[in-house]
Amino acid sequence: GAGVSQSPSNKVTEKGKDVELRCDPISGHTALYWYRQSLGQGLEFLIYFQGNSAPDKSGLPSDRFSAERTGGSVSTLTIQRTQQEDSAVYLCASSLGPGQLAYTQYFGPGTRLTVL
Amino acid sequence: QKEVEQNSGPLSVPEGAIASLNCTYSDRGSQSFFWYRQYSGKSPELIMSIYSNGDKEDGRFTAQLNKASQYVSLLIRDSQPSDSATYLCAVTENDKIIFGKGTRLHILP
Repeated sequence: GAGVSQSPSNKVTEKGKDVELRCDPISGHTALYWYRQSLGQGLEFLIYFQGNSAPDKSGLPSDRFSAERTGGSVSTLTIQRTQQEDSAVYLCASSLGPGQLAYTQYFGPGTRLTVL
Repeated sequence: QKEVEQNSGPLSVPEGAIASLNCTYSDRGSQSFFWYRQYSGKSPELIMSIYSNGDKEDGRFTAQLNKASQYVSLLIRDSQPSDSATYLCAVTENDKIIFGKGTRLHILP
């Protein structure tokens, strides 16, 4: 079956431009996560969506970052006025939802963002 | 946000030996714990999950959890060169999943 997909796979942009990153989770997964991974670093939590609940935005690094999830499925992460320090791989993951055995996350291939 | 701590490594282990990876976490409310493996340039993939104190074995992998000490570990027996990767510890915090920075493991042939 289809896994988590992300687009684009690579994005090069100029400082100050806005970018949109897309994530298509596994069908039926109610939980969706965005993480950021800089070169050689761990996964930095950004935002978590669960069903129709208000998202947990506690990991967003600044107000330039926002995300939405439409219809409980596809999610878009938007970065406004990009800065060079935003360069990283942005990973999306989905899971069945909260609760034991349902937490297992399946990761997409990531979007590599380079801000010049 | 609470912390998940791991030694960044690299941890070098001879082929065939046991690799021991450790993780501590700060949120006493965490209930679910995971080990993910990440090869260079790839996305993380789940190896083990553990929810109760004690040991959980799956093939060459054993996860160990001690909630009183807020400590979770991963043992890899009969280490193979293909086990060379970064191993990420993850814990739940109010239903979201927080990762440590990972430990780089290098299996020496």
